[in-house]
Amino acid sequence: QKEVEQDPGPLSVPEGAIVSLNCTYSNSAFQYFMWYRQYSRKGPELLMYTYSSGNKEDGRFTAQVDKSSKYISLFIRDSQPSDSATYLCAMISPSGTYKYIFGTGTRLKVLA
Amino acid sequence: GAVVSQHPSRVICKSGTSVKIECRSLDFQATTMFWYRQFPKQSLMLMATSNEGSKATYEQGVEKDKFLINHASLTLSTLTVTSAHPEDSSFYICSARGTGRTYEQYFGPGTRLTVT
Repeated sequence: QKEVEQDPGPLSVPEGAIVSLNCTYSNSAFQYFMWYRQYSRKGPELLMYTYSSGNKEDGRFTAQVDKSSKYISLFIRDSQPSDSATYLCAMISPSGTYKYIFGTGTRLKVLA
Repeated sequence: GAVVSQHPSRVICKSGTSVKIECRSLDFQATTMFWYRQFPKQSLMLMATSNEGSKATYEQGVEKDKFLINHASLTLSTLTVTSAHPEDSSFYICSARGTGRTYEQYFGPGTRLTVT
């Protein structure tokens, strides 16, 4: 079993839709949770990070962490074609090395 | 702020040659740099972690003699792919962690290596 599981998609939605992206994980020691966006042939860029459980909102993006279920989500409201990208969840290894453990990424396509 | 650059952005080399990829933190000092490899439509796979002035720590299955990492300063790390083969063709991405918000890694734009 992988430490972090993420549906690879692809996920196609119409413009303006609410998008829900999810990851599950197995290690209850994870504390920091990140969402990165990666456009084709580019490096990942940080969208959101959360520490421990709860919600965090930034513009059209909301990140949710449910540690009891070992489940994290990223919601995108009013999705735009420019949101079309691969979304990667990442968690920091509790080993003290600051290593990230990435999900496989979900490819999202927002149709105009 | 927190910009990481990589050079070159893409490189094509012949089988058996060596290729060096540079990773620079432009506006902050990077205590730790990470090197990742990404195959098409797959996630990032961590290859190694390097701390300034120390030997790199390689992930299991990564050949340290083939992928030489040097982190000689707080703003520069290099990855040298030695005796490259076509199976080394991939997208290589570095990231850097500063001394402030210690959990956050800033990623470079990546280098596409093609070995013919």
